[in-house]
Parts: sequence; structure tokens; C-alpha cells
Amino acid sequence: DAGVTQSPTHLIKTRGQQVTLRCSPKSGHDTVSWYQQALGQGPQFIFQYYEEEERQRGNFPDRFSGHQFPNYSSELNVNALLLGDSALYLCASSPTGTGNSPLHFGNGTRLTVT
Amino acid sequence: KNEVEQSPQNLTAQEGEFITINCSYSVGISALHWLQQHPGGGIVSLFMLSSGKKKHGRLIATINIQEKHSSLHITASHPRDSAVYICAVRSQGNLIFGKGTKLSVKP
Repeated sequence: DAGVTQSPTHLIKTRGQQVTLRCSPKSGHDTVSWYQQALGQGPQFIFQYYEEEERQRGNFPDRFSGHQFPNYSSELNVNALLLGDSALYLCASSPTGTGNSPLHFGNGTRLTVT
Repeated sequence: KNEVEQSPQNLTAQEGEFITINCSYSVGISALHWLQQHPGGGIVSLFMLSSGKKKHGRLIATINIQEKHSSLHITASHPRDSAVYICAVRSQGNLIFGKGTKLSVKP
């Protein structure tokens, strides 16, 4: 049973470019959440997708957008990249209606913006 | 002030030592999670607590809801325990993370 998978593992982009990160949830999970983790910091919540809609959003600008597909996989898009967007981007999945269930994270995508 | 505070930020121990990592929070919570993050970045869930105490192998997690405090203990520490340990609380449906405690266990 595959857990949460993310791709790519590493990515280098130039300031002003756009990037798309991908996440496949654990089998049986239909809710996907995205987090940004800057170096030396804890993860910060970006947004959560369920039933192909954004259900909750953290304090991130509109440059950060997402999508969820019918197979529950998800994409995180960041436009007009800034140097400060350099971080580890983590995806976590959960089954519906289990607000207090164990957390399942992917290994993350490390984005470097130069 | 952060809603979730961890201490210490960094911890170096000798193999075999008993280790305690602390987490204090200032918001109402429905659950508290302890997570382990290795240098590659992936995060593994260790415990989810809403009350009392849980034990898994050499790891023990406790929570005091009244005092808004949780501890993670590692008995007989081993170099493979070296990682960043993160406390996260679920509050009003959202997850709030601490900054993590970086543990290094020397042989």
C-alpha cells in the first residue's frame, strides 16, 4: 500500500517563474493538505482540498493555487516565484470526516528559487 | 508569541540517555501530534494524543490538557533517533506546528 507520494523531489526555478508540484494521497484518502516548511521552521498550512474544491486556506497569497483531480491527487501551483518561496513543500492526506486521525505526509518537494 | 512552543530547540545526547522534549500550546485543541522528521524531509507520525499517555517501543508521549503541555520521552536513546521532532496541535480544524526540536544522539 503506497503512502503519500510527491513529485518532483527537488526543483530549482528562477525568480518570476511558475512551478507545479504534485501529490498522490495514500490509498483510501480523499483529502489533501499542502504545507510550506522554511528552513529551521515548522510547516505552515497553505490549503486543503476535498471533493476537488479548496475547503480551507492558510495565510498565503493568491500566487499559491491548487487543484484536486477526480482520483484525489492534487497539484500546488506557485506563480511569480520569489526568493522567499524557497522551502520544502509537504503534502498530507487523510480520509473524510476524520479530523483527528493520524497524519500521513509525503517526503516533500524541495524548491529552490534563485 | 507562537501558539505552539517547543523546548529545547536543539538537544545533543549520548547513546543510552533518557531524553525529554517539551511542547506547550496556548490554544484550545482537539488533538496533539508528535512527528519525526529526518534530514531528507519526510515526516512520520509518532503519536496522536487527546489525553493521558501513549507508549510505542522506546517512545512515550504524555499530555496534560489543563496545563496545555505535552512531553515526548525517548528511553535508551540511539543514534538512529537523531531527527527533528515536531509537535503539532489541531485547533478549530487547523493544524498548528511548533518549530521542532533537533535531536542528535552521539554513539
